[in-house]
Amino acid sequence: DTEVTQTPKHLVMGMTNKKSLKCEQHMGHRAMYWYKQKAKKPPELMFVYSYEKLSINESVPSRFSPECPNSSLLNLHLHALQPEDSALYLCASSQDDTFWEQYFGPGTRLTVT
Amino acid sequence: AQSVAQPEDQVNVAEGNPLTVKCTYSVSGNPYLFWYVQYPNRGLQFLLKYITGDNLVKGSYGFEAEFNKSQTSFHLKKPSALVSDSALYFCAVRDRGGANNLFFGTGTRLTVIP
Repeated sequence: DTEVTQTPKHLVMGMTNKKSLKCEQHMGHRAMYWYKQKAKKPPELMFVYSYEKLSINESVPSRFSPECPNSSLLNLHLHALQPEDSALYLCASSQDDTFWEQYFGPGTRLTVT
Repeated sequence: AQSVAQPEDQVNVAEGNPLTVKCTYSVSGNPYLFWYVQYPNRGLQFLLKYITGDNLVKGSYGFEAEFNKSQTSFHLKKPSALVSDSALYFCAVRDRGGANNLFFGTGTRLTVIP
């Protein structure tokens, strides 16, 4: 199984809402990532978890809060977002955080109204 | 600082012809290099990587890439293009010393014309 799953596929939320994005992998990977991708742009790294510990936070605003409950799951909690946060949010995983390739999920298309 | 450049926003090629998607990199030291493909409204799919060893790397779906240290390039190639190869291609780099944050190029849209 080389699949990374993400739910929901689409999400529309108001600026005062609280929502969560979920990501799951069953490949035994010990590194997991959140990326943000705007239209016609490359993905930009947000967070890296290595062995369930946050190892990289690329200066992401606190309205985005990651969580790694166990080695298979990664959440991204959203609160008080802005319209400019609308984007495709991609989750990825890799065997560990060295030189291994990352496997990406299909993404969650987020629209903030 | 690490970076990659993809000089072409768009590449068009006729079906059956060879294709090349260009990528140049800039890192301090030796790089890890990757190619990914993205189909509409989908995540990225890994194609191939260069870590060390043979400069010619073979990957998924018949793609290959050549690492050229003197020209700091890692161009993606395929001998015979298929219409189904039409997609957005991203080159990415991470340096050996840092954490596993990939730096992506701006992407090249490949269109294979029947």
